[in-house]
Amino acid sequence: DQQVKQNSPSLSVQEGRISILNCDYTNSMFDYFLWYKKYPAEGPTFLISISSIKDKNEDGRFTVFLNKSAKHLSLHIVPSQPGDSAVYFCAASDDQAGTALIFGKGTTLSVSS
Amino acid sequence: DTGVSQDPRHKITKRGQNVTFRCDPISEHNRLYWYRQTLGQGPEFLTYFQNEAQLEKSRLLSDRFSAERPKGSFSTLEIQRTEQGDSAMYLCASSSLDSSMIETQYFGPGTRLLVL
Repeated sequence: DQQVKQNSPSLSVQEGRISILNCDYTNSMFDYFLWYKKYPAEGPTFLISISSIKDKNEDGRFTVFLNKSAKHLSLHIVPSQPGDSAVYFCAASDDQAGTALIFGKGTTLSVSS
Repeated sequence: DTGVSQDPRHKITKRGQNVTFRCDPISEHNRLYWYRQTLGQGPEFLTYFQNEAQLEKSRLLSDRFSAERPKGSFSTLEIQRTEQGDSAMYLCASSSLDSSMIETQYFGPGTRLLVL
């Protein structure tokens, strides 16, 4: 059973608009969440993370929101740029001090100019 | 800037052959992780090391798989008697704790394995 779910396989957005990528999890022991971006033929690149003691974390154009009661997090990219086109993975762990990450299947974001 | 490096980037082998992959982590990182990614899936955890000690292994890591990190620096992942189902991207990540005792894993470019 998948513990981290990204239910939208793909998302298309126009340049300059907001991209919202969603992620749901089932394991209530998860306390640390990360977003990675992946281009073809490259490894995942870390984008932003959030601890369960927070509900929002912001870094430049990227903001992650966490709703613990709903077991839901989202990544907002504003404004979206064509270079943001990639596969975005949501990941979770039950120990922010270090353990295996559990990944979703990813969402492919396409930003058109 | 020396990030995580992996070698080779691509490997094609015949079923039944043994293969070995190498990962060089970011130099000051004491933790090293191996993941496997197949098409349409996210990375799946295989095993991880803290320094030279292998602390956790996934049930995905069958007895044909072995990983080592002999001096706490680079790591190798060996697959013996490869099967077509082993075809995947093998990803290595390294990490250390920051001042807030939070770990972030940084990934290498991966080794793509094709078993014919």
